[in-house]
Amino acid sequence: AQTVTQSQPEMSVQEAETVTLSCTYDTSESDYYLFWYKQPPSRQMILVIRQEAYKQQNATENRFSVNFQKAAKSFSLKISDSQLGDAAMYFCAYRRGRGGSNYKLTFGKGTLLTVNP
Amino acid sequence: EAGVVQSPRYKIIEKKQPVAFWCNPISGHNTLYWYLQNLGQGPELLIRYENEEAVDDSQLPKDRFSAERLKGVDSTLKIQPAELGDSAVYLCASSLGGGRGAYNEQFFGPGTRLTVL
Repeated sequence: AQTVTQSQPEMSVQEAETVTLSCTYDTSESDYYLFWYKQPPSRQMILVIRQEAYKQQNATENRFSVNFQKAAKSFSLKISDSQLGDAAMYFCAYRRGRGGSNYKLTFGKGTLLTVNP
Repeated sequence: EAGVVQSPRYKIIEKKQPVAFWCNPISGHNTLYWYLQNLGQGPELLIRYENEEAVDDSQLPKDRFSAERLKGVDSTLKIQPAELGDSAVYLCASSLGGGRGAYNEQFFGPGTRLTVL
């Protein structure tokens, strides 16, 4: 079974600075997707960034970028120029790329990010 | 485009009472998911619908939980009777299809926070 581990229950960053959230995963599959979701106090899960395992290039979305290390099964999220609105719970998630249950998202326990003004 | 709509946003009931949650997915999305999110945890899939068919309900506690998606659009998740341990956030998500690819991105609703006293 796939597992996703987020070892940092809480992180804090000063506004305008950079923070990195860690995620590791365990799978025997070679084809899969990895995601970072943001969940603010409103509870709505918002997709931040997606990485396909077959792509070597790290995904980037504006101030958000990932460091995908497939061999190490590591998938960290870097937030640059942190803003107050970035404060939220961040979840790392895994999904198989093919197969009968390829739709199923497996989430980590989350990292609570605080942004200090 | 309207997002996934859920109601109610909050529900407080006494144990042994029944409760129901409603979800309206994004228009045109034929796949609908119900997730359970316990405090301090990531969401866990309860059930997935492809149109009106429940194609994966293996994680749904069928002794007290039931779900339906009549006409393949709106869905209702019911708990009867509720127990103290059911206090959690219930998230609904939808996607265009159940297979791989970018079109399969899951969009989440704001969730219903259930408190069982």
